[in-house]
Amino acid sequence: EAQVTQNPRYLITVTGKKLTVTCSQNMNHEYMSWYRQDPGLGLRQIYYSMNVEVTDKGDVPEGYKVSRKEKRNFPLILESPSPNQTSLYFCASSSGRASGNTIYFGEGSWLTVV
Amino acid sequence: SQQGEEDPQALSIQEGENATMNCSYKTSINNLQWYRQNSGRGLVHLILIRSNEREKHSGRLRVTLDTSKKSSSLLITASRAADTASYFCATDRNTGNQFYFGTGTSLTVIP
Repeated sequence: EAQVTQNPRYLITVTGKKLTVTCSQNMNHEYMSWYRQDPGLGLRQIYYSMNVEVTDKGDVPEGYKVSRKEKRNFPLILESPSPNQTSLYFCASSSGRASGNTIYFGEGSWLTVV
Repeated sequence: SQQGEEDPQALSIQEGENATMNCSYKTSINNLQWYRQNSGRGLVHLILIRSNEREKHSGRLRVTLDTSKKSSSLLITASRAADTASYFCATDRNTGNQFYFGTGTSLTVIP
């Protein structure tokens, strides 16, 4: 079954404590991306990656890091989380050039920073 | 900055009625896609329409695209309670690697 898997699904953490949200896809997709979803703001792109070792900033990259060492994995790293990073996060993947192709989303990770 | 904006923000209809939601965007696009999100879940792809297409159908879904007005509409015919969800349009940028999602239309279908 085609899947984008994120972990953890739910997390409450404290300000400044580094955390990583993992993302894995089983569709051999080149393109992967992270979004955050906030009320009234819709989904905003954080980072995206066109292939292994290739990453680019989206619209709201501040406070986040990503890496793409393997094609299937695209972890999102919050080095020093702050309360304004409390949000619902989605990992997504797509085949080839994302435009013109279906984007597959994970189930989301609810992150609360206190 | 956000590009895709859906209208209305919320829509409530009776089962069996048609639901229409609109999406406006600001700059040129290659493609426009519609997605559905059940409460707190991941987004699911519904339909893609390319910039050189004007209308597309998929089951009970009908999507139109007017590039001169920079707008698209999604029509769900004969709605069902299971159609209750939020609907988002996604527009790409010229590079094709970045997407704008709007804030969505929340659709409630009353049985």
